[in-house]
Amino acid sequence: GPKVLQIPSHQIIDMGQMVTLNCDPVSNHLYFYWYKQILGQQMEFLVNFYNGKVMEKSKLFKDQFSVERPDGSYFTLKIQPTALEDSAVYFCASSYDRGGNERLFFGHGTKLSVL
Amino acid sequence: GDSVIQMQGQVTLSENDFLFINCTYSTTGYPTLFWYVQYSGEGPQLLLQVTTANNKGSSRGFEATYDKGTTSFHLQKTSVQEIDSAVYYCAMRAWTGGYKVVFGSGTRLLVSP
Repeated sequence: GPKVLQIPSHQIIDMGQMVTLNCDPVSNHLYFYWYKQILGQQMEFLVNFYNGKVMEKSKLFKDQFSVERPDGSYFTLKIQPTALEDSAVYFCASSYDRGGNERLFFGHGTKLSVL
Repeated sequence: GDSVIQMQGQVTLSENDFLFINCTYSTTGYPTLFWYVQYSGEGPQLLLQVTTANNKGSSRGFEATYDKGTTSFHLQKTSVQEIDSAVYYCAMRAWTGGYKVVFGSGTRLLVSP
């Protein structure tokens, strides 16, 4: 079935540095999402993105976070600078539409460890 | 705001036992309700969804009924197998100024042979 690919699967970084998480969404999908999951806790919505713009974001989407998808390439989440509390697994998801019954397709996640 | 509540953090069963996982939701909109399943080391994947109130969704032996009266979407399976061991998330998508999907806290199912 359709797949969302996330690169890398694990990223280790020193606090204060910049990190970019990459997501290759399903090819004909138009809406893109990032979720954050701290170990053993629930999936928390960060942001969704359409047509080059952030549509919605949560309180977890701090000023240090940014997203973009330049020219149909990877959908990226950038954190600059990183903080210890950013350590988590970040899941990218995509959907064709944003209608109420549209399902999300998730990647396998990128585990971010901030030291 | 919108919310999804799963009270059970973990459920431990033996093969062929009956499964029941609670889920209740709260929204001012008209939700579509989902159950996602997350296997170890993977992202969540859709198990089933229901858009219309009082309808039932089913997949792979799992069932859930969208009960608007009790605002519930409990997940059931008559006879669980070891391969069903995973984390199950109840989720909701409703137009209340946005279309984000809100997840419950998840229920870890452990099935022993």
